[in-house]
Amino acid sequence: QQQVKQSPQSLIVQKGGISIINCAYENTAFDYFPWYQQFPGKGPALLIAIRPDVSEKKEGRFTISFNKSAKQFSLHIMDSQPGDSATYFCAALNQGGKLIFGQGTELSVKP
Amino acid sequence: GAVVSQHPSWVICKSGTSVKIECRSLDFQATTMFWYRQFPKQSLMLMATSNEGSKATYEQGVEKDKFLINHASLTLSTLTVTSAHPEDSSFYICSAPSGGAHQPQHFGDGTRLSIL
Repeated sequence: QQQVKQSPQSLIVQKGGISIINCAYENTAFDYFPWYQQFPGKGPALLIAIRPDVSEKKEGRFTISFNKSAKQFSLHIMDSQPGDSATYFCAALNQGGKLIFGQGTELSVKP
Repeated sequence: GAVVSQHPSWVICKSGTSVKIECRSLDFQATTMFWYRQFPKQSLMLMATSNEGSKATYEQGVEKDKFLINHASLTLSTLTVTSAHPEDSSFYICSAPSGGAHQPQHFGDGTRLSIL
């Protein structure tokens, strides 16, 4: 019930391509869904976030698509760049204020 | 933007030593902070919730006597790993919500703990 399932585990994309990472959840009480970007040896950095009353949110090259009925949400990175190579985590905020993280996706953007 | 500072960034010490890690919110007050542990190529695992002025709450399976948490002020929480052993070696990360318990959480840059 408290899990967030993330896929794929790893992703290789050519420069300029679109990177897509998917997450699914079970608990309908989750009310906030952030995405974090983490570089090796660093803490996660908040990338973009969405609330369940919105179906899409776009910030620059990053877009979250949210499907409330399917309990799924995804991150799209347009025009992917080598500098986007990092590990991406989706998360969901439960009613206790705790973040439940997905398993992570290691993205590699090839030049 | 909201910034969380964590110190030290890296520590190496002998088995049996106690190690203290500090987490500070630099430009906002945080009544709640969170401590995570992350193993290589794995996700973040929540260890405990640090509450200003009261006892921390620990996740199931986390030894509270092993991982002592003190939240003495609205901008500082500390995690002390007591009598550390090699299996405690990990990446420890703290976070704090900038606008309250249900607001975006901002993470520190983590502390790499290596126990010899």
